[in-house]
Amino acid sequence: SAVISQKPSRDICQRGTSLTIQCQVDSQVTMMFWYRQQPGQSLTLIATANQGSEATYESGFVIDKFPISRPNLTFSTLTVSNMSPEDSSIYLCSVGETENTEAFFGQGTRLTVV
Amino acid sequence: GNSVTQMEGPVTLSEEAFLTINCTYTATGYPSLFWYVQYPGEGLQLLLKATKADDKGSNKGFEATYRKETTSFHLEKGSVQVSDSAVYFCALRTNTGNQFYFGTGTSLTVIP
Repeated sequence: SAVISQKPSRDICQRGTSLTIQCQVDSQVTMMFWYRQQPGQSLTLIATANQGSEATYESGFVIDKFPISRPNLTFSTLTVSNMSPEDSSIYLCSVGETENTEAFFGQGTRLTVV
Repeated sequence: GNSVTQMEGPVTLSEEAFLTINCTYTATGYPSLFWYVQYPGEGLQLLLKATKADDKGSNKGFEATYRKETTSFHLEKGSVQVSDSAVYFCALRTNTGNQFYFGTGTSLTVIP
């Protein structure tokens, strides 16, 4: 299994600012995923972060709004840019290796934009 | 396409009651199926999984059987406890990609 540390655990931010969320894994992993979980909702995949190449974004999410870095096999960041109250959500980092294995999740970052 | 349909909640049960949370899926290829649990204020934890048809996943008294003929993966527990109160997510992972697809989650509250 993988242990994932995510920082910050929560933050309250002013609209128009940006927040960078960090995700650190205790082992090298190929695939890292970023999800958004809006209040009372399920998880929506934002993007897949690949080491050595650009992130792959899902429909409805763009790099300008959610830039992602993946400098090595144990670390990734997600930035929520130019925030609005609609970005208030829980953001989750996840890792998962091969097709039949489970995903492991960080504790999440609870973001409130005021 | 790929999707997961999960029983809507919230569900409220008395302690020691029987629990069923329904989950059906649509997928291309041969997916792996999962149940995750999210306790208040925490991230998702894997509860159980099944990687092929007729497999039964089990953990902490919870069970779910991968039924290909009905494309279902219903979660059951014979006797729930107050500590089982959480949100439960059904999910699939396709064998043609690495993406996970999650259901909408079912909130369970167990009262003493």
